[in-house]
Amino acid sequence: DGGITQSPKYLFRKEGQNVTLSCEQNLNHDAMYWYRQDPGQGLRLIYYSQIVNDFQKGDIAEGYSVSREKKESFPLTVTSAQKNPTAFYLCASAHRGPAYEQYFGPGTRLTVT
Amino acid sequence: KQEVTQIPAALSVPEGENLVLNCSFTDSAIYNLQWFRQDPGKGLTSLLLIQSSQREQTSGRLNASLDKSSGRSTLYIAASQPGDSATYLCAVLSGGYQKVTFGTGTKLQVIP
Repeated sequence: DGGITQSPKYLFRKEGQNVTLSCEQNLNHDAMYWYRQDPGQGLRLIYYSQIVNDFQKGDIAEGYSVSREKKESFPLTVTSAQKNPTAFYLCASAHRGPAYEQYFGPGTRLTVT
Repeated sequence: KQEVTQIPAALSVPEGENLVLNCSFTDSAIYNLQWFRQDPGKGLTSLLLIQSSQREQTSGRLNASLDKSSGRSTLYIAASQPGDSATYLCAVLSGGYQKVTFGTGTKLQVIP
């Protein structure tokens, strides 16, 4: 089955700890995206990558870091510098063709206490 | 900076009614516009994608239109059903690095 996997589904961390969220896709898509969603709000772009070894900051990149060493993987690290990390995190990928349609993973709900 | 707005924020309709959801964007130089559905606690499901050169797309009871010059898109849902209850989000792809900007969503409730 082709798709996007995010693990784990739920993640709990203590304040001050860094945590890495996994995102893997087997759709052979070039572009990958990380979003954050807070209750009752839309999605805000954290980081995105169009090709391997290249990525751009989105609207709310402060306190986050990413890497894109492999085409199929785009892990997101939430660092201790992120002031309010508790949120629902969504990963997406897209083929860089005429349509550029995004496909989303199931999300990871991160709770930091 | 691209800004995307969705109106209304919430909508409640009786089953069987036809309805329209609105999405507006500030920068008309877009690559595409995509409509999504999100169920509570879940990821997003793509409904329709309209490329910049297209005016509309249809899938079953759904029809999405795009007017770049006015910065507007509408999602038309015919003969609404309780299973259509969800949050509907629009997203615009624009800019040199194909950045995506989402609207805040419309929460739809279809009452049996």
